[in-house]
Parts: sequence; structure tokens; C-alpha cells
Amino acid sequence: GQNIDQPTEMTATEGAIVQINCTYQTSGFNGLFWYQQHAGEAPTFLSYNVLDGLEEKGRFSSFLSRSKGYSYLLLKELQMKDSASYLCAVRDTGNKLVFGAGTILRVKS
Amino acid sequence: GAVVSQHPSRVICKSGTSVKIECRSLDFQATTMFWYRQFPKQSLMLMATSNEGSKATYEQGVEKDKFLINHASLTLSTLTVTSAHPEDSSFYICSAIPSEGNTDTQYFGPGTRLTVL
Repeated sequence: GQNIDQPTEMTATEGAIVQINCTYQTSGFNGLFWYQQHAGEAPTFLSYNVLDGLEEKGRFSSFLSRSKGYSYLLLKELQMKDSASYLCAVRDTGNKLVFGAGTILRVKS
Repeated sequence: GAVVSQHPSRVICKSGTSVKIECRSLDFQATTMFWYRQFPKQSLMLMATSNEGSKATYEQGVEKDKFLINHASLTLSTLTVTSAHPEDSSFYICSAIPSEGNTDTQYFGPGTRLTVL
């Protein structure tokens, strides 16, 4: 079966760093994606990992360990606008995305 | 960047009516599009994969006769919710994969909020 786990909620302070973890057990693996979704809006693409290691993109970085079935999204210099839901999604061998339930991040001043 | 649009953004309809939602890739061609449904405070659930020129592939538990999908061209897929009922009220989101270029990423539309009275 397909199983993707992420924490339900996290709270962090403006200017700080936060790490959102994601573990997965899927029948196939062809990449892991992180999306940001504000309430009532569609997800926007943040990052993509297919090989082990760290991908950095400005204030956002994403890490993947395929042997451990583990990824994290790292957000630096948090801003209030980063308050959103962060979705971890695994792409199976057929291009379909399986989404985790999402982590609601609240950034407080 | 790759832009996907959906129309309408919101729709309210009476129980028993049918509603059509359009998904368009504006600046790229997409052989494959996906339709998702998202209930409040839940994640996206894939409903079906829409392939241009062929029948859609539905996920387990999704009624193909209720959720009609037509991928008429390389830039347009439509989802028709037939005989809608209140339990069909949800946020429907489509995504598209470019046929060329960056074929690794799904680009999402802005979603359609369906409310069935």
C-alpha cells in the first residue's frame, strides 16, 4: 500500500528555521515533491528530489534519503506569509502523485 | 512559468444537476492531466488520470459514470459531475504535466469550489 506520514501541525517564530519531516512507504518511487498550499488555493510547487541529498532553492531546501524512506523540507528566515499547509507527495512509477495529509505551519511574530 | 487555469472558480448548484469544470494549460501542451478532490482539512486525493485521445483512468472507488472526464485536446480537460449531491461538495483541482520540457513536475490549477445545495 501507499503510506505517507507528516506531522499534522507545527508552530515556529518569524525569522527562525523550521524542518518539516516526511516518511513514506510506497510501492514505487520516482521522486518526491514538496508543495505549499494556502487555504482555499491550489498547491504551488516548491521542490523535487529524486536522488539522495539536499536540494537548495533560496530560503527552502529539501532533503531525501531513499534508503530510509525519508525527506524533510527546511524553511529558513521564516516569514509570516510562510504560514500555510506543506504537502509531501511521492510520485510512483506511473507519474501519479500520492499526497500526505499535509503539515499546517503557523508562523508567529 | 507553466500556468494552468480552471473554470469556474466557484459554483453553487442544486442537487441533481450536472456541473462541468474546465482545466486548461495556458502556455504548454499536456498529454496527461490529473483530477483531484480535496475535502476540508484533508489532503488531495487523486480521482482520475486524463489522457488526451484516450479514456481516463479512474482510481479505485471513483465512479466513472458520475465523474465524466473528457480530454479533448492537448490543452483542455473537462470534468463533469453528473447528478451532483451535497456529498460531492468539495474542492476540485486539476494538474497538468507538460508534454515537452520539464516533464517531472505537475502544475496545478487554482481549483474549483463546488457547493451542492
